Amino acid sequence: SQQGEEDPQALSIQEGENATMNCSYKTSINNLQWYRQNSGRGLVHLILIRSNEREKHSGRLRVTLDTSKKSSSLLITASRAADTASYFCATDMANFGNEKLTFGTGTRLTIIP
Amino acid sequence: EAQVTQNPRYLITVTGKKLTVTCSQNMNHEYMSWYRQDPGLGLRQIYYSMNVEVTDKGDVPEGYKVSRKEKRNFPLILESPSPNQTSLYFCASSLWGEADTQYFGPGTRLTVL
Repeated sequence: SQQGEEDPQALSIQEGENATMNCSYKTSINNLQWYRQNSGRGLVHLILIRSNEREKHSGRLRVTLDTSKKSSSLLITASRAADTASYFCATDMANFGNEKLTFGTGTRLTIIP
Repeated sequence: EAQVTQNPRYLITVTGKKLTVTCSQNMNHEYMSWYRQDPGLGLRQIYYSMNVEVTDKGDVPEGYKVSRKEKRNFPLILESPSPNQTSLYFCASSLWGEADTQYFGPGTRLTVL
């Protein structure tokens, strides 16, 4: 079964608005990562948050992690057309290292110019 | 330029005809992994390798083989491909350990008729 599940599956917003997507997972983790995938291309790493962190920022990205709820959110502020992509969360399980990275099913984000 | 390369990028083949998808990285990464991506299922790990001559099964290893004779290369072998192996395949590499970013190749779109 999937370790990570993103919500919503698809999201369309106007350029300039903020986009929020969520990820839930099932087991204890060491770290949670977010990746972006442009249509049919390889995934690109965006940001990593450790299990002992609650919030992390990188440019227009803000990630939160709530280990008690086993959930994370990715906020993209001031969205741009170039942010149109699918976004995946990935978790590694607490008894393993990075070798057992499990990806969710993704949120497809469309930014309307 | 630091990168992960895969070949071929596109392949159409027939059931039972053995094929190999190559993966190579130039970042001296210990860890390499293969994923398949199918609609609605996200990315699922096939096999991974933590170093030369060290490989292990991921979540969906059936029907696949791998080898790691050199640090930079991690080929994926389909001895007898079947239509249910039609998918988009990604190779990834990273330094080994916790909290390490995975770098993805551009993907190989495989169709088995």
